[in-house]
Amino acid sequence: DVKVTQSSRYLVKRTGEKVFLECVQDMDHENMFWYRQDPGLGLRLIYFSYDVKMKEKGDIPEGYSVSREKKERFSLILESASTNQTSMYLCASRISGGMDEQFFGPGTRLTVL
Amino acid sequence: RKEVEQDPGPFNVPEGATVAFNCTYSNSASQSFFWYRQDCRKEPKLLMSVYSSGNEDGRFTAQLNRASQYISLLIRDSKLSDSATYLCVVNCAYDSGYALNFGKGTSLLVTP
Repeated sequence: DVKVTQSSRYLVKRTGEKVFLECVQDMDHENMFWYRQDPGLGLRLIYFSYDVKMKEKGDIPEGYSVSREKKERFSLILESASTNQTSMYLCASRISGGMDEQFFGPGTRLTVL
Repeated sequence: RKEVEQDPGPFNVPEGATVAFNCTYSNSASQSFFWYRQDCRKEPKLLMSVYSSGNEDGRFTAQLNRASQYISLLIRDSKLSDSATYLCVVNCAYDSGYALNFGKGTSLLVTP
């Protein structure tokens, strides 16, 4: 079974803090993704990575950065957390593009106070 | 980028009913299409891929109309366990590769 794990299920941080969300997949997948999901807005792509040390901005990258130093790990960084970054963050991975299934982690519910 | 549009619902149907969801996408160059299912407080999971010729998986049928840029999902003989949010998904091109763009989802509630 493919497994995508995220470091925390729930996280509470204060405005201005630097926040790291970690994601690990165990199936040697090339591609990894970070989304956020908000009521009424659906899943929106923040950043993705096609290979180690590669990254590309998705549709809403502002206020975020990412790091992919190892194939299995993809980190999302909030340099200075703000209240509008309170959301559910979902990490995903897949073997490659095309018709391959994308597997999601369980999500991290981040609250920024 | 507003790639994928779908009716949010909710659709409330009795057990045994047939229900259809529709979705439109804006990028005519898109090549790959999917339906994902998301249960309450869970992560999305692949329900089925959508092929040009249409495809069926048990009670579920997916259709693609490239000319109209339209995707559909038909669920026959609805079960209580089909209650979930159904996400229409399109594989979209970015600079370095493809990434999935999700519709906002259509909520289905199947009642006894």
